[in-house]
Amino acid sequence: QQQVKQSPQSLIVQKGGISIINCAYENTAFDYFPWYQQFPGKGPALLIAIRPDVSEKKEGRFTISFNKSAKQFSLHIMDSQPGDSATYFCAASKGSSNTGKLIFGQGTTLQVKP
Amino acid sequence: EAGVAQSPRYKIIEKRQSVAFWCNPISGHATLYWYQQILGQGPKLLIQFQNNGVVDDSQLPKDRFSAERLKGVDSTLKIQPAKLEDSAVYLCASSFYIAGEGYNEQFFGPGTRLTVL
Repeated sequence: QQQVKQSPQSLIVQKGGISIINCAYENTAFDYFPWYQQFPGKGPALLIAIRPDVSEKKEGRFTISFNKSAKQFSLHIMDSQPGDSATYFCAASKGSSNTGKLIFGQGTTLQVKP
Repeated sequence: EAGVAQSPRYKIIEKRQSVAFWCNPISGHATLYWYQQILGQGPKLLIQFQNNGVVDDSQLPKDRFSAERLKGVDSTLKIQPAKLEDSAVYLCASSFYIAGEGYNEQFFGPGTRLTVL
């Protein structure tokens, strides 16, 4: 019930293409769904996050799509750039509390080819 | 704004030795987390502090891991004795609660890469 399943494990996209990473969760008590970006040798950094009262959130080239009934959410990176090459983690928590812990997916390694 | 600081960045030890990691969170952040990130996996929460009190340590192997946060600021995580399977990156994160936003953004440090031989 605490798991967050992420796919694919790795992804190769051409520059300018769309990168799509999917996540599924089980615990319906989760109410905060962030995506983190991690570069080698660095800690994860928050990219974008969504709450289940909306079905989509867009920030620049990054969009989260959220399907509450299916308990799935995805990250879309439009016009992918070589600088987007990194590992991406989805996560979930009971974010309505200031003590809610994050449950992370397994990660997706994205490579954007020039 | 300065980020979360961690030291050392790298540590290599023999199994059964002890090791300690240090974390200095972002100023004003009441909540501090220690995560373990095994190669190829997502971070897994080991322990969470709210000020200097423990909120969640359900996944901390308490027979060998210990952590403290004195005065509600800096924190140390210790492993004694280390096992081969403890080889991982240990991430520290901190957060503040955004009232009215209903979420708890966490800011991560660069991590300490531990290799146990």
